[in-house]
Amino acid sequence: QSALTQPRSVSGSPGQTVTISCTGTSNDVGGHNFVSWYQQQPGKAPKLVIYDVNQRPSGVPSRFSASKSGNTASLTISGLQAEDEAEYSCCSFAGRSTLIFGGGTKLTVL
Amino acid sequence: EVQLVESGGGLVKPGGSLRLSCTASGFIFNTYSITWLRQVPGRGLECVSTIGLSGQSVYYGDSFKGRFTISRDNVRKSLFLQMTSLRVEDTAVYFCARDAVGASRGVWDYWGQGILVTVSS
Repeated sequence: QSALTQPRSVSGSPGQTVTISCTGTSNDVGGHNFVSWYQQQPGKAPKLVIYDVNQRPSGVPSRFSASKSGNTASLTISGLQAEDEAEYSCCSFAGRSTLIFGGGTKLTVL
Repeated sequence: EVQLVESGGGLVKPGGSLRLSCTASGFIFNTYSITWLRQVPGRGLECVSTIGLSGQSVYYGDSFKGRFTISRDNVRKSLFLQMTSLRVEDTAVYFCARDAVGASRGVWDYWGQGILVTVSS
Protein backbone atom coordinates (compact mmCIF):
# COMPACT_ATOMS: atom_id res chain seq x y z
CA GLN A 1 0.00 0.00 0.00
CA SER A 2 1.19 3.51 -0.77
CA ALA A 3 1.45 6.10 1.93
CA LEU A 4 -1.41 8.51 2.42
CA THR A 5 -0.94 11.94 0.86
CA GLN A 6 -0.62 15.00 3.08
CA PRO A 7 0.54 18.51 2.26
CA ARG A 8 4.11 19.01 3.35
CA SER A 9 3.30 22.19 5.22
CA VAL A 10 0.50 24.50 6.27
CA SER A 11 0.55 27.69 8.26
CA GLY A 12 -1.75 30.04 10.08
CA SER A 13 -1.76 32.94 12.49
CA PRO A 14 -2.84 32.65 16.11
CA GLY A 15 -6.62 32.47 16.36
CA GLN A 16 -7.09 31.31 12.80
CA THR A 17 -8.40 27.96 11.59
CA VAL A 18 -6.27 25.55 9.60
CA THR A 19 -7.19 22.29 7.93
CA ILE A 20 -4.82 19.47 7.04
CA SER A 21 -5.90 16.94 4.45
CA CYS A 22 -5.03 13.27 4.18
CA THR A 23 -5.86 11.60 0.89
CA GLY A 24 -5.93 7.88 0.33
CA THR A 25 -8.00 5.45 -1.68
CA SER A 26 -11.16 3.41 -1.35
CA ASN A 27 -8.99 0.65 0.09
CA ASP A 28 -7.98 2.68 3.10
CA VAL A 29 -9.38 6.09 4.06
CA GLY A 30 -12.48 5.74 1.90
CA GLY A 31 -13.23 2.17 2.83
CA HIS A 32 -12.99 2.23 6.61
CA ASN A 33 -13.81 4.54 9.51
CA PHE A 34 -10.48 3.96 11.21
CA VAL A 35 -8.54 7.15 10.60
CA SER A 36 -6.41 8.61 13.35
CA TRP A 37 -4.28 11.73 13.65
CA TYR A 38 -1.07 12.26 15.58
CA GLN A 39 0.70 15.41 16.68
CA GLN A 40 4.47 15.27 17.02
CA GLN A 41 6.73 17.92 18.47
CA PRO A 42 10.39 17.85 17.39
CA GLY A 43 12.30 15.12 19.16
CA LYS A 44 9.20 13.79 20.89
CA ALA A 45 6.94 10.79 20.46
CA PRO A 46 3.68 11.20 18.55
CA LYS A 47 0.57 12.11 20.51
CA LEU A 48 -2.88 10.86 19.57
CA VAL A 49 -5.27 13.74 18.87
CA ILE A 50 -8.07 12.06 16.85
CA TYR A 51 -9.14 8.44 16.36
CA ASP A 52 -11.93 6.66 14.48
CA VAL A 53 -12.18 9.59 12.02
CA ASN A 54 -13.56 12.18 14.43
CA GLN A 55 -13.23 11.02 18.04
CA ARG A 56 -11.17 13.12 20.37
CA PRO A 57 -9.29 11.40 23.24
CA SER A 58 -9.72 12.71 26.74
CA GLY A 59 -7.51 15.74 27.31
CA VAL A 60 -7.31 16.87 23.69
CA PRO A 61 -8.74 20.39 23.32
CA SER A 62 -12.09 20.72 21.53
CA ARG A 63 -10.53 23.01 18.96
CA PHE A 64 -9.15 19.86 17.36
CA SER A 65 -11.77 18.27 15.11
CA ALA A 66 -11.73 15.96 12.13
CA SER A 67 -13.90 14.52 9.40
CA LYS A 68 -13.82 12.38 6.31
CA SER A 69 -15.31 12.72 2.85
CA GLY A 70 -14.76 10.00 0.31
CA ASN A 71 -11.09 9.11 0.20
CA THR A 72 -9.95 12.24 2.05
CA ALA A 73 -9.77 12.76 5.80
CA SER A 74 -9.25 16.20 7.30
CA LEU A 75 -7.97 17.54 10.61
CA THR A 76 -9.12 21.02 11.55
CA ILE A 77 -7.57 23.13 14.27
CA SER A 78 -9.55 26.21 15.18
CA GLY A 79 -8.40 29.08 17.37
CA LEU A 80 -4.80 28.27 16.49
CA GLN A 81 -2.29 28.58 19.31
CA ALA A 82 1.48 28.75 19.30
CA GLU A 83 1.68 25.39 21.07
CA ASP A 84 -0.08 23.75 18.11
CA GLU A 85 3.03 24.16 15.99
CA ALA A 86 4.08 20.59 15.27
CA GLU A 87 4.02 17.88 12.65
CA TYR A 88 0.69 16.14 12.12
CA SER A 89 0.38 12.68 10.65
CA CYS A 90 -2.68 10.72 9.61
CA CYS A 91 -3.05 6.97 9.84
CA SER A 92 -5.64 4.69 8.26
CA PHE A 93 -6.61 1.06 8.39
CA ALA A 94 -6.01 -0.46 4.96
CA GLY A 95 -7.41 -3.95 5.38
CA ARG A 96 -5.87 -7.24 6.56
CA SER A 97 -4.43 -5.77 9.77
CA THR A 98 -2.51 -3.18 7.73
CA LEU A 99 -2.22 0.41 8.90
CA ILE A 100 -0.63 3.09 6.74
CA PHE A 101 0.49 6.63 7.50
CA GLY A 102 0.72 9.87 5.65
CA GLY A 103 4.06 11.57 5.20
CA GLY A 104 3.28 14.21 7.79
CA THR A 105 2.39 17.90 7.59
CA LYS A 106 4.39 20.58 9.33
CA LEU A 107 2.12 23.19 10.86
CA THR A 108 3.71 26.58 11.39
CA VAL A 109 2.02 29.14 13.61
CA LEU A 110 3.02 32.52 12.22
CA GLU B 1 1.65 6.76 35.36
CA VAL B 2 1.80 4.78 32.14
CA GLN B 3 5.33 4.51 30.82
CA LEU B 4 7.00 2.69 27.96
CA VAL B 5 10.79 2.75 27.79
CA GLU B 6 12.73 1.43 24.81
CA SER B 7 16.29 0.18 24.97
CA GLY B 8 18.78 -1.76 22.89
CA GLY B 9 19.28 0.60 19.99
CA GLY B 10 22.60 1.65 18.55
CA LEU B 11 24.93 1.24 15.60
CA VAL B 12 25.00 -2.01 13.67
CA LYS B 13 26.56 -3.03 10.37
CA PRO B 14 24.45 -3.99 7.35
CA GLY B 15 23.45 -7.62 7.62
CA GLY B 16 23.75 -7.51 11.38
CA SER B 17 21.21 -8.07 14.12
CA LEU B 18 19.86 -6.08 17.02
CA ARG B 19 17.30 -6.74 19.74
CA LEU B 20 15.13 -3.91 20.97
CA SER B 21 13.31 -4.03 24.29
CA CYS B 22 10.38 -2.04 25.60
CA THR B 23 9.63 -2.11 29.31
CA ALA B 24 6.17 -1.10 30.45
CA SER B 25 4.86 0.20 33.75
CA GLY B 26 1.76 1.86 35.13
CA PHE B 27 -0.82 -0.39 33.49
CA ILE B 28 -1.88 -4.02 33.25
CA PHE B 29 0.50 -5.07 30.52
CA ASN B 30 -1.20 -8.30 29.48
CA THR B 31 -4.47 -6.54 28.65
CA TYR B 32 -3.05 -4.51 25.76
CA SER B 33 -1.67 -5.25 22.33
CA ILE B 34 1.60 -3.43 21.71
CA THR B 35 3.05 -2.18 18.44
CA TRP B 36 6.52 -1.33 17.25
CA LEU B 37 6.56 1.62 14.87
CA ARG B 38 9.46 3.42 13.30
CA GLN B 39 10.23 6.79 11.80
CA VAL B 40 12.97 7.36 9.30
CA PRO B 41 14.44 10.83 9.90
CA GLY B 42 12.46 13.36 7.89
CA ARG B 43 9.92 10.79 6.77
CA GLY B 44 6.59 9.40 7.93
CA LEU B 45 5.78 6.83 10.54
CA GLU B 46 5.57 3.15 9.65
CA CYS B 47 4.04 0.21 11.48
CA VAL B 48 6.63 -2.50 12.00
CA SER B 49 4.87 -5.17 14.03
CA THR B 50 2.03 -5.70 16.48
CA ILE B 51 1.63 -8.43 19.08
CA GLY B 52 -1.59 -9.45 20.79
CA LEU B 53 -2.27 -9.91 24.47
CA SER B 54 -0.83 -13.37 24.93
CA GLY B 55 1.74 -13.19 22.16
CA GLN B 56 -0.09 -15.69 19.97
CA SER B 57 -1.31 -13.13 17.48
CA VAL B 58 1.34 -11.21 15.60
CA TYR B 59 1.36 -8.93 12.58
CA TYR B 60 4.27 -7.72 10.49
CA GLY B 61 4.45 -5.03 7.87
CA ASP B 62 5.47 -6.39 4.47
CA SER B 63 8.96 -4.88 4.70
CA PHE B 64 9.71 -6.77 7.89
CA LYS B 65 8.34 -10.27 7.37
CA GLY B 66 11.03 -12.88 7.72
CA ARG B 67 13.57 -10.42 9.14
CA PHE B 68 11.99 -9.11 12.33
CA THR B 69 10.41 -11.09 15.16
CA ILE B 70 8.20 -9.59 17.83
CA SER B 71 7.67 -11.20 21.20
CA ARG B 72 6.53 -10.29 24.69
CA ASP B 73 7.07 -11.42 28.26
CA ASN B 74 3.96 -10.59 30.27
CA VAL B 75 5.62 -11.51 33.55
CA ARG B 76 8.45 -9.04 32.96
CA LYS B 77 6.05 -6.56 31.30
CA SER B 78 8.38 -6.35 28.36
CA LEU B 79 8.16 -6.30 24.60
CA PHE B 80 10.95 -7.28 22.25
CA LEU B 81 11.84 -6.83 18.60
CA GLN B 82 14.54 -9.10 17.22
CA MET B 83 15.85 -7.53 14.03
CA THR B 84 18.04 -9.51 11.65
CA SER B 85 19.47 -8.96 8.16
CA LEU B 86 19.44 -5.24 8.87
CA ARG B 87 19.70 -2.86 5.94
CA VAL B 88 20.86 0.72 5.71
CA GLU B 89 17.24 1.70 5.08
CA ASP B 90 16.25 0.28 8.47
CA THR B 91 17.97 3.26 10.06
CA ALA B 92 15.22 4.96 12.03
CA VAL B 93 13.87 5.85 15.42
CA TYR B 94 11.87 2.91 16.73
CA PHE B 95 8.95 3.43 19.07
CA CYS B 96 6.86 1.01 21.08
CA ALA B 97 3.27 2.09 21.60
CA ARG B 98 0.26 0.80 23.49
CA ASP B 99 -2.71 -0.11 21.35
CA ALA B 100 -5.65 1.50 23.13
CA VAL B 101 -8.46 -0.37 21.44
CA GLY B 102 -6.95 -3.24 19.50
CA ALA B 103 -8.37 -4.52 16.22
CA SER B 104 -5.84 -2.67 14.03
CA ARG B 105 -7.53 0.68 14.34
CA GLY B 106 -4.31 2.67 14.66
CA VAL B 107 -5.13 4.04 18.09
CA TRP B 108 -1.93 4.22 20.15
CA ASP B 109 -2.48 6.20 23.31
CA TYR B 110 0.94 5.89 24.97
CA TRP B 111 4.32 5.83 23.28
CA GLY B 112 7.86 5.32 24.39
CA GLN B 113 10.41 8.05 23.84
CA GLY B 114 11.89 6.24 20.87
CA ILE B 115 15.27 4.60 20.32
CA LEU B 116 17.62 5.22 17.42
CA VAL B 117 18.84 2.33 15.32
CA THR B 118 21.60 3.19 12.86
CA VAL B 119 22.60 0.66 10.22
CA SER B 120 25.88 1.67 8.65
CA SER B 121 29.21 0.17 7.70
